[in-house]
Amino acid sequence: QVQLVESGGGVVQPGRSLRLSCTASGFSFSTYGMHWVRQAPGKGLEWVAAIWYNGKYKNYSDSVKGRFTVSRDNSKDTVYLQMNSLRAGDTALYYCARDRIPAAGTGGVFDPWGQGTLVTVSS
Amino acid sequence: DIQMTQSPSSLSASVGDRVTITCQASLDISNYLNWYQHKPGKAPKLLIYDASNLEAGVPSRFSGSRSATDFSFTISSLQPEDIATYYCQQYDTLPWTFGQGTKVEIK
Repeated sequence: QVQLVESGGGVVQPGRSLRLSCTASGFSFSTYGMHWVRQAPGKGLEWVAAIWYNGKYKNYSDSVKGRFTVSRDNSKDTVYLQMNSLRAGDTALYYCARDRIPAAGTGGVFDPWGQGTLVTVSS
Repeated sequence: DIQMTQSPSSLSASVGDRVTITCQASLDISNYLNWYQHKPGKAPKLLIYDASNLEAGVPSRFSGSRSATDFSFTISSLQPEDIATYYCQQYDTLPWTFGQGTKVEIK
């Protein structure tokens, strides 16, 4: 079945970097756009970044633009989120999600989602 | 950014009750509106896409509708397994934005 598994979360000091991974299975990964969405403790959902199925285009929320980079390796069925210059406000559970339909361009309908990986930014 | 104003922030209802959540967009987003269910410790789940289309495998007691920039999400007969937080999300204009969420509890 379709599955997304995030990894790479942990505790990191402010200003440091972390790379998250999301490995997909059960579908043709190279034909779907992928997204990162986060949920800070006690808060709602916030879309973070998106990457087209072919990696050609990427989009970011203003809160992470210039600090985070989304990428993908279609040979490994994996999407990444490189997070630099981390701040306390980046503390959250980070989910990866797939576009609902293949080759959806910028997409925006998230289905399915992974279980998330927790990032804690603290000194 | 397009703001999604979701209400109420929480509600308590009895099993079998009809429950309605609303979401108002700050701009016209056409039908580019989705509804998700999020249970604690679980992955969020898509229930409704494009304002009123039920995702495959989702029970028919869930439904969505649109009137201009106002969107509604309804559970026709609340079940114990529906306890969750529900979010609307627009995908008309980047950045994609979510409503604040509605926590649904059983009375």
